[in-house]
Amino acid sequence: DTGVSQDPRHKITKRGQNVTFRCDPISEHNRLYWYRQTLGQGPEFLTYFQNEAQLEKSRLLSDRFSAERPKGSFSTLEIQRTEQGDSAMYLCASSPFPRGVLFEQYFGPGTRLTVT
Amino acid sequence: GENVEQHPSTLSVQEGDSAVIKCTYSDSASNYFPWYKQELGKRPQLIIDIRSNVGEKKDQRIAVTLNKTAKHFSLHITETQPEDSAVYFCAGLGGNTDKLIFGTGTRLQVFP
Repeated sequence: DTGVSQDPRHKITKRGQNVTFRCDPISEHNRLYWYRQTLGQGPEFLTYFQNEAQLEKSRLLSDRFSAERPKGSFSTLEIQRTEQGDSAMYLCASSPFPRGVLFEQYFGPGTRLTVT
Repeated sequence: GENVEQHPSTLSVQEGDSAVIKCTYSDSASNYFPWYKQELGKRPQLIIDIRSNVGEKKDQRIAVTLNKTAKHFSLHITETQPEDSAVYFCAGLGGNTDKLIFGTGTRLQVFP
């Protein structure tokens, strides 16, 4: 499968614990995006990277959230001191973005987080 | 801020009928509008998109139209089939940002 992959697919954690998710984009896609989706809603933008540079962060991304893409390939999203309101599907997408041209975003299967 | 509104929230049609889903956007600088299909428990799947320099795009039974003046775009599915049943999301990508702003989704049910 050469699509976007995410790990784990499901995560159940207790409130206050830290969690980390991983996203592997499509090979050679230099843009990587994180979105969050709650039940019955569309995905909401969290942050995105071009190569290893984090270019934009949403106001939704509180200081408990941090994302990295250290070598410009896979990315990690960490949530510290999880709260029940963090329960959601965390989606990753990648895009082959040459400078100045718009391209499609392809989504991974998501990581479903449940905070108990 | 940027906003994308989508309607209807649910749509039921008989197999073979057409389905139309409409979206409006607020950012006049938006220039790329994809549509995603999401089946239960699965990832959003890009099914068609349109850029601001064209007014219509077709791909077999699916078409998208764009009216930049009115800031709205629509998805048209003809000859619907039960496997078209899913939640459909529209989105817009602004000229001043590279993030997708999604609509709230339309649950389409196609009855055999």
